[in-house]
Amino acid sequence: DGGITQSPKYLFRKEGQNVTLSCEQNLNHDAMYWYRQDPGQGLRLIYYSQIVNDFQKGDIAEGYSVSREKKESFPLTVTSAQKNPTAFYLCASSIETGTYNEQFFGPGTRLTVL
Amino acid sequence: KQEVTQIPAALSVPEGENLVLNCSFTDSAIYNLQWFRQDPGKGLTSLLLIQSSQREQTSGRLNASLDKSSGRSTLYIAASQPGDSATYLCAVEGNTPLVFGKGTRLSVIA
Repeated sequence: DGGITQSPKYLFRKEGQNVTLSCEQNLNHDAMYWYRQDPGQGLRLIYYSQIVNDFQKGDIAEGYSVSREKKESFPLTVTSAQKNPTAFYLCASSIETGTYNEQFFGPGTRLTVL
Repeated sequence: KQEVTQIPAALSVPEGENLVLNCSFTDSAIYNLQWFRQDPGKGLTSLLLIQSSQREQTSGRLNASLDKSSGRSTLYIAASQPGDSATYLCAVEGNTPLVFGKGTRLSVIA
């Protein structure tokens, strides 16, 4: 089946620890994205990558880091510098058509800091 | 900076009713607008994408329109069903990746 997978579904972390969220896609999409969603809020862009070995900061990149070593994978690390990391994290991907850029989403990872 | 607003924030309707969800955006220089559905605790499902050159898109009971010059889009749901209950999110793409509204939480009562 083609799609986007995120793991784990639920993640618990102690304060001061770094944690890495996984995102994998087998859609052969060029671009990948990470968003954060808080209760009652829309999605906010953390980082995005339009090509392997390149990525750009979104609106709320502070306290997060990413890598894009393979086209299929775009892991997100939540570092101890992120002051309020408890949230629902969503990964997405899209194929660049030149005219539009339809995004498809994974099932999300819920991170809770204890 | 692009801002996207969705009205109403929540909506409750009886089954069978036709309904309209509204989305407005501040910068009309967009490439496309996308409507999503989100069930509680789940990821987003893409419903419709309207390119900037298009006026509307249809999929089954859903119809989305776009008026780029006025910065508005509507999502029309015909003959609503309890299974339509979810949060509906609107997002626009311009020179930056998608910017999202906060969504409209829809409840369809049987």
